[in-house]
Amino acid sequence: EVQLVESGGGLVQPGGSLRLSCAVSGFRFSSYHMHWFRRAPGQGLAWVSRIEDDGTLLTYADSVKGRFTISRDNAKNMLYLQMSSLRAEDTAVYYCARDNISPGDLWGQGTLVLVSS
Amino acid sequence: DVVMTQSPLSLPVTLGQPASISCRSSQSLVHSNGNTYLNWFQQRPGQSPRRLIYNVFNRDSGVPDRFSGSGSGTYFTLKISRVEAEDVGIYYCLQSTHWPPYTFGQGTKLEIK
Repeated sequence: EVQLVESGGGLVQPGGSLRLSCAVSGFRFSSYHMHWFRRAPGQGLAWVSRIEDDGTLLTYADSVKGRFTISRDNAKNMLYLQMSSLRAEDTAVYYCARDNISPGDLWGQGTLVLVSS
Repeated sequence: DVVMTQSPLSLPVTLGQPASISCRSSQSLVHSNGNTYLNWFQQRPGQSPRRLIYNVFNRDSGVPDRFSGSGSGTYFTLKISRVEAEDVGIYYCLQSTHWPPYTFGQGTKLEIK
């Protein structure tokens, strides 16, 4: 079965760190670029970060640049998002998604990150 | 950054009636390779987003043919020929021509009258 499963979300204090994971199955992970998106409470979807299929060319939204790091392990079929210096405005459901011609042909179920003291 | 502007933001529709959502970009979405990377997503309540349309008019696998996309340059439209109850949710356009960043419209909330 083709699926993406996120994990690693939770409650974290402002300034803290968290690492999200996305386990991929059912397709050749190493052939696809991948993204992280998020949706904050009461707001719309927003793009967070993208990584090329081979792990090169990392791109970020300005709002997370310098604080978040995207990475992948093609041998383990895993995508990651290391988040540090977290702020209240980073509170959101985070989704990993596949890029097939264009972003988002396949999405995970999402993982909630709550940044609060 | 490319700004995407959707309208309307709220769309009450009677079951069985058509619906239309527009999306305007602040600059042309025609890529240097000739393709136009404008995509439409649906997010039903409590669910993950789902891509409906990619590159203006191409329906994703499993998407009912009552959904159609059109447009060019800076103006794009998602049409639902006959709204069904399962179509309730928020619809977003996303441009993937000029990145980073990839940018979404604000979202259009479709509800049943």
